[in-house]
Amino acid sequence: GDSVIQMQGQVTLSENDFLFINCTYSTTGYPTLFWYVQYSGEGPQLLLQVTTANNKGSSRGFEATYDKGTTSFHLQKTSVQEIDSAVYYCAMRDQGGRALIFGTGTTVSVSP
Amino acid sequence: DPKIIQKPKYLVAVTGSEKILICEQYLGHNAMYWYRQSAKKPLEFMFSYSYQKLMDNQTASSRFQPQSSKKNHLDLQITALKPDDSATYFCASSQEVWGGQDTQYFGPGTRLLVL
Repeated sequence: GDSVIQMQGQVTLSENDFLFINCTYSTTGYPTLFWYVQYSGEGPQLLLQVTTANNKGSSRGFEATYDKGTTSFHLQKTSVQEIDSAVYYCAMRDQGGRALIFGTGTTVSVSP
Repeated sequence: DPKIIQKPKYLVAVTGSEKILICEQYLGHNAMYWYRQSAKKPLEFMFSYSYQKLMDNQTASSRFQPQSSKKNHLDLQITALKPDDSATYFCASSQEVWGGQDTQYFGPGTRLLVL
C-alpha cells in the first residue's frame, strides 16, 4: 500500500545550522509530494509541493527535490532560525488521488 | 481573517456521550476533508467530500458521521465516545477533490479529550 516514511523523529539544531530531513515514499506511479509544517497549537500549513514535472520546490528558504530513482523527497534548509522550530511532515496523495498520506513527522528544535 | 474555522477549539467529553465538531471554510472550495491526529500517530485521513457528497470513508467505525448542510460546511458527529477517540481533529479543504496537485488547506483543529 501507499506509505510515507520519515525516520527522524527529532532534530535539534542551533541557529544557522544546516537542516536535512529524510523522507521516502512507496506507491505506484509518480505522485505529487508535499511538505507541511505545523507550529504548536495550529493546523498543518503547506510549505511546498513538487510534481514530477518540475522535480524541485522551494519556499521560505526551504528546498525539496523529488528523486524518482530513490523514491525520496528530502527537505533541506541551509541556515535555520529559531522561528523554524516546528513539526515537519512529508505527505503525498494516495493512489485514489484524494487523501493525503502523512509521514510521522519530524520535530525540529532550533536554539538561538 | 481565518479561512477555515473549526469550533470548538477544545472539547472535553465523557465516555458514551455524543459530540459534534464544526467546520466552515471560506476559501470557495468544493472539496472538504476530515483528518485525525492522535498522540504518537501521524495525521490520518478520515473522510473526503466533494460538492457535499461523500467520496471516501476510511474510518472503521460508524460512530463517526460527517454532515454537510452547506457546501462550505462539513461537521463531524461522533457518537458513543471512547477514550481512544481523544485526538485533535482537523478539517481541510481544496478546490476540487480530484486534483492530484491540488493543495489541501487545514483548519486549526479541535482538540477532543474523552474521559
